[in-house]
Amino acid sequence: DAGVIQSPRHEVTEMGQEVTLRCKPISGHNSLFWYRQTMMRGLELLIYFNNNVPIDDSGMPEDRFSAKMPNASFSTLKIQPSEPRDSAVYFCASSPQDRAPSYEQYFGPGTRLTVT
Amino acid sequence: GQSLEQPSEVTAVEGAIVQINCTYQTSGFYGLSWYQQHDGGAPTFLSYNALDGLEETGRFSSFLSRSDSYGYLLLQELQMKDSASYFCAVRSNAGKSTFGDGTTLTVKP
Repeated sequence: DAGVIQSPRHEVTEMGQEVTLRCKPISGHNSLFWYRQTMMRGLELLIYFNNNVPIDDSGMPEDRFSAKMPNASFSTLKIQPSEPRDSAVYFCASSPQDRAPSYEQYFGPGTRLTVT
Repeated sequence: GQSLEQPSEVTAVEGAIVQINCTYQTSGFYGLSWYQQHDGGAPTFLSYNALDGLEETGRFSSFLSRSDSYGYLLLQELQMKDSASYFCAVRSNAGKSTFGDGTTLTVKP
């Protein structure tokens, strides 16, 4: 299996621009997670989906952030408008929630976002 | 909500044994996971404990005491490649895990 795929791997944008991060989970996994990692705040869960449905978005920082999962093989995390404090590494992870080992999350390589 | 505490840094020498502790507070508990992350890389799964006791996987072992809300990761026969950050994560419901701030392990020759 190719593992979790994220694109782009690096993104540099100017404040105020829209940013879209993409994720393809491992085939057959029905849970998908978006995390943000910074030195100051560590690894934070932003939102997670189960069977393409958002289950918990309590970690989404504000209305500028939105996430979608239109089908089982694709998800996006959008930031509009972006701000310098959004600079971080964004990870997507997937998990085979309905079969063992359902607790193991497989992380993608991450997208390093820099907002200037 | 959930909160986890683990040491920020640990240093050990090659060949030694090191233990990384994790205490947690959570409103619901399904299990405790451990992940390893090398600099510039993604977290990778190491182990999971749902029940009290010790789970062994090669050089790595993980322990859980649910009554004490405590767990640890034990790394034996340390190698230079074990230098990384280690995160404990509490699974508070069937889907969600909350990660600790991570422990940076430095292995010296």
